[in-house]
Amino acid sequence: AQSVTQLGSHVSVSEGALVLLRCNYSSSVPPYLFWYVQYPNQGLQLLLKYTSAATLVKGINGFEAEFKKSETSFHLTKPSAHMSDAAEYFCAVSAAYSSASKIIFGSGTRLSIRP
Amino acid sequence: EAGVVQSPRYKIIEKKQPVAFWCNPISGHNTLYWYRQNLGQGPELLIRYENEEAVDDSQLPKDRFSAERLKGVDSTLKIQPAELGDSAVYLCASSKTRNTDTQYFGPGTRLTVL
Repeated sequence: AQSVTQLGSHVSVSEGALVLLRCNYSSSVPPYLFWYVQYPNQGLQLLLKYTSAATLVKGINGFEAEFKKSETSFHLTKPSAHMSDAAEYFCAVSAAYSSASKIIFGSGTRLSIRP
Repeated sequence: EAGVVQSPRYKIIEKKQPVAFWCNPISGHNTLYWYRQNLGQGPELLIRYENEEAVDDSQLPKDRFSAERLKGVDSTLKIQPAELGDSAVYLCASSKTRNTDTQYFGPGTRLTVL
């Protein structure tokens, strides 16, 4: 079974500051890991995904995440926040190499950007 | 390329009334998903289709929820009768093939049950 814990339901940073959104996962098998972004009144959009290749994954809009097996973490970072980054971010996990596995989403972290 | 289309975007109904949501996936995507997203939570899978076959419906409350995907293209999710606790956003997503392919989400239908 898989699960995801997102630490902090709300994160606020200043424009230009580092963005760090935390995600820890639990999985009894090798995982695939995802970060999605959701803007108000819109569906989810994939930012990046880890599928057991490079542990540092680069995504869209300048975001990246690092898979750390020893820490069971997959934190999302961006060096410099923009106002347009304000949104809800979801970390998700599924079982690698399994066509039957469903994607399990965390409860989300709302990112606010201060001018 | 057109994205996943859902309608209606918003629906307000009285409890015990029926309601239906429609989804048209991205052309060529064989896998279709229905999720429910409660306020302040991540999406939870209700049902997954591979073409016209429902391959995972373990989280679908079958006493009041039903879904169909005729001809393996668009899909309809129905609730009858609706309860207050059904108020949520219902998201449809599609992917080319298996579960771990990138899923593309529609904008969702926000259901309010009064």
